[in-house]
Amino acid sequence: NAGVTQTPKFRILKIGQSMTLQCAQDMNHNYMYWYRQDPGMGLKLIYYSVGAGITDKGEVPNGYNVSRSTTEDFPLRLELAAPSQTSVYFCASSSPGVGSPLHFGNGTRLTVT
Amino acid sequence: AQTVTQSQPEMSVQEAETVTLSCTYDTSESDYYLFWYKQPPSRQMILVIRQEAYKQQNATENRFSVNFQKAAKSFSLKISDSQLGDAAMYFCAYRIHNTDKLIFGTGTRLQVFP
Repeated sequence: NAGVTQTPKFRILKIGQSMTLQCAQDMNHNYMYWYRQDPGMGLKLIYYSVGAGITDKGEVPNGYNVSRSTTEDFPLRLELAAPSQTSVYFCASSSPGVGSPLHFGNGTRLTVT
Repeated sequence: AQTVTQSQPEMSVQEAETVTLSCTYDTSESDYYLFWYKQPPSRQMILVIRQEAYKQQNATENRFSVNFQKAAKSFSLKISDSQLGDAAMYFCAYRIHNTDKLIFGTGTRLQVFP
């Protein structure tokens, strides 16, 4: 049981480039999330999804796009990368229910130079 | 706005001693859950403990316990018999019923000295 798998682990982008961060979960969770963690800070919600075909914005969605075509996958797209997007990105999933904990991937460290 | 405040950026404790990490939150809702997550240097996010707002009894998980004061909107984490492996960032978070978002505080870095 792999849980939540994120790829890649590390990436360096040049300003203006685009890329997709991949996230897959094998726990059949309906809910999936993307967070970013800036150095010394907490996690900020970028986008989330409560099921295939349904996505919604979080606290910091600008500069990102998501799609959810399957229950398992929730990719995060960065268009026209900017230095402000340098961060560690975490994908997470959970079952429905306010008490259900989030299960996190190991994160992707992204540097934009 | 829904916010979570962790007022202690850093804390330290001697091995085998007890330490308490503070957390306050702001919500007008009555049905929600509170969580503490641990993030060691490996970057992995690990659930430590959770508390349902409707339960008056404080949650306990082995050496970890919480002091939940609903009226004061306070949710502190007590670590007893601290171990070197407890050194990590600790994040307080909450999730409100009928929303799907987990909102995090800025974290407290805990150092454990032998």
